[in-house]
Amino acid sequence: DVKVTQSSRYLVKRTGEKVFLECVQDMDHENMFWYRQDPGLGLRLIYFSYDVKMKEKGDIPEGYSVSREKKERFSLILESASTNQTSMYLCASSLWGGALSSYEQYFGPGTRLTVT
Amino acid sequence: GNSVTQMEGPVTLSEEAFLTINCTYTATGYPSLFWYVQYPGEGLQLLLKATKADDKGSNKGFEATYRKETTSFHLEKGSVQVSDSAVYFCALSSKGGATNKLIFGTGTLLAVQP
Repeated sequence: DVKVTQSSRYLVKRTGEKVFLECVQDMDHENMFWYRQDPGLGLRLIYFSYDVKMKEKGDIPEGYSVSREKKERFSLILESASTNQTSMYLCASSLWGGALSSYEQYFGPGTRLTVT
Repeated sequence: GNSVTQMEGPVTLSEEAFLTINCTYTATGYPSLFWYVQYPGEGLQLLLKATKADDKGSNKGFEATYRKETTSFHLEKGSVQVSDSAVYFCALSSKGGATNKLIFGTGTLLAVQP
C-alpha cells in the first residue's frame, strides 16, 4: 500500500525557532512536494523536488527551505518561525513518467504547526 | 497561467440527495484533471481522475467528466451518505517540465446530514 508519512501530526513552536518537518515515502517516487493549506486559500505549493539534491521553488517559498539528501525523504525547514507560518503542512509524492505523462500525487496526513 | 475555480462552500445536503460540485479550469494544452477528498483530520486522497477530453473518472459512486468545450470537470454523486462529509478539491496537472505540479482549487466543504 502506498505510504507517505510525516514526522509529526501536531507541533507547537515559538517565534524565531528553527523548525524541521520531515516527510518519508516508501514508493520510490521521484517527485516530492511541500504544500501549506489555509482556510479559503486551498493548497499552495512551497517547494518541490524532482530528484535527490534537486529542488525548485513553488508559489510561496519565502521563509522556507528544503532538503532532499535521499530519494525517500524530503524535509521542510523554517529557518526562523513566525506566527504567519501557523498552518497545516502537507507533503506529497508522485512518480515521474516523462513530460507527457501525469501521475497523481499521494499525500501524507499533514502536520498542523502552531507558532506562538 | 493555469488556474482552477470551484464553487464556494459549504454545501449542506440531506442523506440520499444528489450532489454536484462545480469545477472549471483555465489551462494551456491538455491538462489532466483530478478530484481529491480530505476527510476530517486527514491528508488528501485521490478520488478520481481523467487524463483527456471526454474521459469520465469514477470511484465510490462519484463521477466527473472532462469537458474540454466548457473547460469543466464537475463532480457528481447520485445519493450522498453522511460518510461523504469532507472537503473536496478539484485540481489540474499541466504536462511538461521536470515534474507534474498540481494546481488546486480552494476546496468545497460538503456536510451531509442524516
